[in-house]
Amino acid sequence: GAGVSQTPSNKVTEKGKYVELRCDPISGHTALYWYRQSLGQGPEFLIYFQGTGAADDSGLPNDRFFAVRPEGSVSTLKIQRTERGDSAVYLCASSLPPDTQYFGPGTRLTVL
Amino acid sequence: KNEVEQSPQNLTAQEGEFITINCSYSVGISALHWLQQHPGGGIVSLFMLSSGKKKHGRLIATINIQEKHSSLHITASHPRDSAVYICAVPMYSGGGADGLTFGKGTHLIIQP
Repeated sequence: GAGVSQTPSNKVTEKGKYVELRCDPISGHTALYWYRQSLGQGPEFLIYFQGTGAADDSGLPNDRFFAVRPEGSVSTLKIQRTERGDSAVYLCASSLPPDTQYFGPGTRLTVL
Repeated sequence: KNEVEQSPQNLTAQEGEFITINCSYSVGISALHWLQQHPGGGIVSLFMLSSGKKKHGRLIATINIQEKHSSLHITASHPRDSAVYICAVPMYSGGGADGLTFGKGTHLIIQP
């Protein structure tokens, strides 16, 4: 079956621009997670959805970051006024709790 | 909030050697994850375990809940095992569906 997919795979943008990153979870998975991985580091938690609602958004670094999951399936991570420090690989994962999380291939964001 | 320590950070070994990677965490959990990440690649879930031991091919994962410690072993290591291995646990105590906290990863290189 299809795994978690993320688009785009790479995104290059200029400082100050707005970007949207998309995640398509595995069909039927109720939980969806966003993580961020900087070069040479382990992933860091950003936000977790259970269904349509954000169950925990404590990892979002500031109010420039926002995520939605309006129909309980696809999710979009939105970053306003991007900064060079936002450059990282953004990972999405989904699960049917309490089973394991399945990770997507990630979106590599580069802010110039 | 859980904290994860992983060791060693880097490990180079010869083909055929027995490999051990260690992980310790600070807060009681429902399950621990071992993940694999190849250079430039996505994250693959190897194991999710809550007690005892699991085996998949040449990979073995063990966990001691009382000591808050887990190990990942690779028997008869092969160059294709070269990757980053990451330990991850739920961010909060219990936390079946919570976001994960990750170790910094162990960069494993198996030389022919």
